[in-house]
Amino acid sequence: GEDVEQSLFLSVREGDSSVINCTYTDSSSTYLYWYKQEPGAGLQLLTYIFSNMDMKQDQRLTVLLNKKDKHLSLRIADTQTGDSAIYFCAEHGSGNTGKLIFGQGTTLQVKP
Amino acid sequence: DTEVTQTPKHLVMGMTNKKSLKCEQHMGHRAMYWYKQKAKKPPELMFVYSYEKLSINESVPSRFSPECPNSSLLNLHLHALQPEDSALYLCASSQDDRRSPLHFGNGTRLTVT
Repeated sequence: GEDVEQSLFLSVREGDSSVINCTYTDSSSTYLYWYKQEPGAGLQLLTYIFSNMDMKQDQRLTVLLNKKDKHLSLRIADTQTGDSAIYFCAEHGSGNTGKLIFGQGTTLQVKP
Repeated sequence: DTEVTQTPKHLVMGMTNKKSLKCEQHMGHRAMYWYKQKAKKPPELMFVYSYEKLSINESVPSRFSPECPNSSLLNLHLHALQPEDSALYLCASSQDDRRSPLHFGNGTRLTVT
């Protein structure tokens, strides 16, 4: 069935790079997403990548997509304390619908 | 700043109350969604509206009743809820319901007493 998996926790020091990994199962996904959720807030669409791309860079964020291995990663350069949040990987899954399949979320802790 | 606005931010209701959650977007999106999120868990889809018609109901109990009065507004009517329905209720919208990016609001934190 459709599944998206992420590690649950990552701790880094301020100024280091963070890499959050995700694996997915549906090879027909058109877009793959990263959402950020700060405590008490909704989900912020952080970035997304179209499935025919290998990489997308947006300021401190770099998304890498390996379609062969169905692996998606989010790299945050120069991680700041404001980056502390839960990061969800998501895909649309099978069927031509808007329904998103989310991973369990990775809690990123940034230590000063 | 989110372009999907949800009200109220917080809601406390008793099990016999009737209340409504509201969601508004002005991005011209034609698909709108309700998600439920428990603490430390990913959001779970409840309903999808496409062009103001209900297209997906993920077997949600009838005590939750969605309504889409027009393409910019989405309501969730609540009646006879249970304490286990306490959660963050998130509204989202997308250009259409064919695999376009979803934009979420900040949610309504619901507590059922």
